[in-house]
Amino acid sequence: NAGVTQTPKFRILKIGQSMTLQCTQDMNHNYMYWYRQDPGMGLKLIYYSVGAGITDKGEVPNGYNVSRSTTEDFPLRLELAAPSQTSVYFCASGGGATGELFFGEGSRLTVL
Amino acid sequence: KNQVEQSPQSLIILEGKNCTLQCNYTVSPFSNLRWYKQDTGRGPVSLTIMTFSENTKSNGRYTATLDADTKQSSLHITASQLSDSASYICVVSATNDMRFGAGTRLTVKP
Repeated sequence: NAGVTQTPKFRILKIGQSMTLQCTQDMNHNYMYWYRQDPGMGLKLIYYSVGAGITDKGEVPNGYNVSRSTTEDFPLRLELAAPSQTSVYFCASGGGATGELFFGEGSRLTVL
Repeated sequence: KNQVEQSPQSLIILEGKNCTLQCNYTVSPFSNLRWYKQDTGRGPVSLTIMTFSENTKSNGRYTATLDADTKQSSLHITASQLSDSASYICVVSATNDMRFGAGTRLTVKP
């Protein structure tokens, strides 16, 4: 079972560049999430979606955008990358607002 | 403000020993509490879920407890193994909110 698949696993960006982190899930979950994890810190919610066509901001949405055109895919767009966006990004999906989350393997992004 | 605090921040134990990790929360109204295990370089994986009416739940060598009155949970690991080395994250859900603790980094040494 593939579960939640994230790409790329690693990426180095220059300041001001843009990129998209891809996330796809094959569990037919309605809920999908993007988190960032900084060293020694808990996961912070960037954006989430409760279904195709519906997205909403989390705790730390500035500098990011998302879309949810299908149930399976939830890409995260970084516009004008900044060093503060250096982090590990995790995509997750789940069956409900309080249900178990299934995480991808993470995408390590460095902005220089 | 909904918050989740975990302690200790890090812990080193010898293989075969037991340990207990703590989670205190102020999330309200409480829905459930989950413990996740995150191996280095991997995404978190759920270990247990605790609902309001549950006091104790076991998953192999892992035993979670919940005291909903004091808003505290613990994760007890028995007879630790090298593969238990990981971060353990407490996640508390309210009706429309989910809060993550910063995690406890456990290192098991031979």
